[in-house]
Amino acid sequence: DTAVSQTPKYLVTQMGNDKSIKCEQNLGHDTMYWYKQDSKKFLKIMFSYNNKELIINETVPNRFSPKSPDKAHLNLHINSLELGDSAVYFCASSQVGEGGGLYGYTFGSGTRLTVV
Amino acid sequence: AQTVTQSQPEMSVQEAETVTLSCTYDTSESDYYLFWYKQPPSRQMILVIRQEAYKQQNATENRFSVNFQKAAKSFSLKISDSQLGDAAMYFCAFGGATNKLIFGTGTLLAVQP
Repeated sequence: DTAVSQTPKYLVTQMGNDKSIKCEQNLGHDTMYWYKQDSKKFLKIMFSYNNKELIINETVPNRFSPKSPDKAHLNLHINSLELGDSAVYFCASSQVGEGGGLYGYTFGSGTRLTVV
Repeated sequence: AQTVTQSQPEMSVQEAETVTLSCTYDTSESDYYLFWYKQPPSRQMILVIRQEAYKQQNATENRFSVNFQKAAKSFSLKISDSQLGDAAMYFCAFGGATNKLIFGTGTLLAVQP
């Protein structure tokens, strides 16, 4: 059973299109995230949701809109795609333990988005 | 703001030898967590090891261990008896009060047979 699954794994699309990436976790975690990994492999957080509530929104263009219908799902919708949006997008989830301890993230396998 | 620095873009080790990857970080928080993640060519992000800042004892997971120096804000990863399957990009990460993980720029490890 895949713990954090995201679809699709690969996405090739033209500039100006709108696309979505879906993410689901079956770990029972309270918090989910979207990270972007650029061509130099740098990982940067985009959004975080805790129990369907947006808690982190980094300086991301408003063409990117996350949606969390329930705590097991966090989708990412991107409008008017640009060449610079080409990257690998990772979904992740985490659970904060007793005393606030962070156990680390479980990542999905990533979605490679290529905008042509 | 917290920062994580990995000063070694690439490292190489002979199979069965030991290698140490460096990581330093900057924070004003006293309670936090540090992690090493491995990303092989499959691009899957795999948690290697976790360290709680309030614990002085260094974390160990089989062939992987850390040298955590809180005062120096240093968190290095030692891989013993290196195997071909250890070849990957390794990321150091900091998790603080916001539970947001901040990653370093990564170290690409090559393992020579």
